[in-house]
Order: sequence, then C-alpha cells, then structure tokens
Amino acid sequence: SAVISQKPSRDICQRGTSLTIQCQVDSQVTMMFWYRQQPGQSLTLIATANQGSEATYESGFVIDKFPISRPNLTFSTLTVSNMSPEDSSIYLCSVTQETGTNEQFFGPGTRLTVL
Amino acid sequence: GNSVTQMEGPVTLSEEAFLTINCTYTATGYPSLFWYVQYPGEGLQLLLKATKADDKGSNKGFEATYRKETTSFHLEKGSVQVSDSAVYFCALSFSGGYQKVTFGTGTKLQVIP
Repeated sequence: SAVISQKPSRDICQRGTSLTIQCQVDSQVTMMFWYRQQPGQSLTLIATANQGSEATYESGFVIDKFPISRPNLTFSTLTVSNMSPEDSSIYLCSVTQETGTNEQFFGPGTRLTVL
Repeated sequence: GNSVTQMEGPVTLSEEAFLTINCTYTATGYPSLFWYVQYPGEGLQLLLKATKADDKGSNKGFEATYRKETTSFHLEKGSVQVSDSAVYFCALSFSGGYQKVTFGTGTKLQVIP
C-alpha cells in the first residue's frame, strides 16, 4: 500500500487569498486524485491528475479555481484560488493501485478554514 | 449511473454491542465493494473489500459479505469498542484500468462506554 503525506495539515486563510496543498507519495503512481469533503459530507472528486498531462476536472470544478500540478510520479499540488468561506473543507489527496480493484489510499487531509 | 446508499447516522451504541451499518448499491455489472473508515481528524483508510459475489471481506473484527442478489454490502461487528468511533463509508469501483470510485454519504458511529 502507498503512504501519502499532505502539507499543510490545516490552515486558516482570508477571503480572496489562495492556498497550495502538497501531496507526496512514497512510491511512483500513475494516477492521483483530489477530493473535497465539506463538513459532515461525503467525498466529492475534484479532479484526476496524471503525470505529464492536464488534470481532468469533474463537473462543477474548473481549472481557474483549482489549478493542479503533477510534475512527477510521486508529487502533486492543488491550489484553491480566490477563496471564499464556501471553500472551507477538508481536501484529500489519494492514489490508486496500478492494477486490481481500484481501491484508493488516502492522505491525512488538509483542513482549510476560510474567514 | 452508479450509486451507493448507506443508512443515515449517527449510530450510537454501547461498548460491546453488535453493529450493523447497511449499504446497498446500484451499478451495471459487478463492481468491487469497499468499506473505508475515517477516524476523527484523519483521512480515509481502507477497512475491508470484496471483489465478487459471496466474497466476505474482514478486518479488525469487522465483516461484510458481497450479496449480489440484494445488491448489498452491510458492515457488521460483533462487539464494538470506543475506539471504533469513526465515520464509515461504503464505496464501489470497477476493475480494469482506472474507474472512478463512488462513495456513499458516510455513517457516523459513536460508541459510548
């Protein structure tokens, strides 16, 4: 299984600013994923990030608001841009095994509060 | 499309009580099924999985059986502990290349001493 770390673990930000969240994996993986978990809610997939190509965004999420980088096979960043209080959520990075059942391994999450 | 339905929480149990968290799914074909657990302040961890009908996944005293005829994957534990207090997510995905994972809404379990 993959071990995933995220930075920062939590942050409190002002409206209108941006925050970049880092995700580091201890092994090379093809696909990385970014989820949002709003308070008391389930997970919503923001985008899928493949190394060497543009991220694929889910309906309701756009690159201008959530730009993603994937410079290599062990690292990705998600930026939350021009934040508003509605962006207050936990942001989770995950990876999937290369073969088999597509079970996902999650990072510990970044808890973001926007004032 | 695919969907996962879980029983609403919170579920509150006394220590050593029997736990059932219901999960049913809708999908075309035969997905793999998962239970994830999220402890307070942490990310999700895979608790158990089953990849085909009648498979039983088990881990840490938790069990779930893949029931194709009822499209269900109910989570059970014979005797819960305070340390089991967490949010439990049922999920499905299909094998073969990358397939999205569909999560249920989560069920919060509170175990009281």
